[in-house]
Amino acid sequence: DQQVKQNSPSLSVQEGRISILNCDYTNSMFDYFLWYKKYPAEGPTFLISISSIKDKNEDGRFTVFLNKSAKHLSLHIVPSQPGDSAVYFCAASEAVTGKLIFGQGTTLQVKP
Amino acid sequence: DSGVTQTPKHLITATGQRVTLRCSPRSGDLSVYWYQQSLDQGLQFLIQYYNGEERAKGNILERFSAQQFPDLHSELNLSSLELGDSALYFCASSRSGTGANVLTFGAGSRLTVL
Repeated sequence: DQQVKQNSPSLSVQEGRISILNCDYTNSMFDYFLWYKKYPAEGPTFLISISSIKDKNEDGRFTVFLNKSAKHLSLHIVPSQPGDSAVYFCAASEAVTGKLIFGQGTTLQVKP
Repeated sequence: DSGVTQTPKHLITATGQRVTLRCSPRSGDLSVYWYQQSLDQGLQFLIQYYNGEERAKGNILERFSAQQFPDLHSELNLSSLELGDSALYFCASSRSGTGANVLTFGAGSRLTVL
């Protein structure tokens, strides 16, 4: 039972263009959502988050959008840079425990 | 350096054996989480401890066990190892064990079972 889903295993974009990574969830009790970035041979690193009371959060080139009615969130990276090439994981937080439920990840490749 | 330390980084062992993975959380963090990442899979939650006590359990096999010690470091014990246990095991920590929580991950321990 996959509560958090990232349906695109991979995405390739040109440097300078927008990257859009998508994530869907099924549990309406989730109230906090996060994106993590992972490089090979490293642990995931926190990128950006959003509370369920908001529909948008920005941090520099990164913006996360949340559509609660559709149970969907997306990460926009503008402009994309080659250093953004990594695996991106979407995660949802369980309020009671604080544990994170992760999606399968999307591998982003930004071509120079 | 995330502040979460995991040892060993790599471990190769045989089926049927037992191993222990160790995690030191970031200074000040009370909660420790263990995740498993198998080949081409997402991060699967195994277990969470908060200030020495088990807080949540995921799909952790009965052959696996964990504990958090008074100094807050944690160990994940994997026994009767099978080929399918080969994976990356990540430890993460956070200040609290509830609510809107950002987990800080270690670099992982890569286990290979031959």
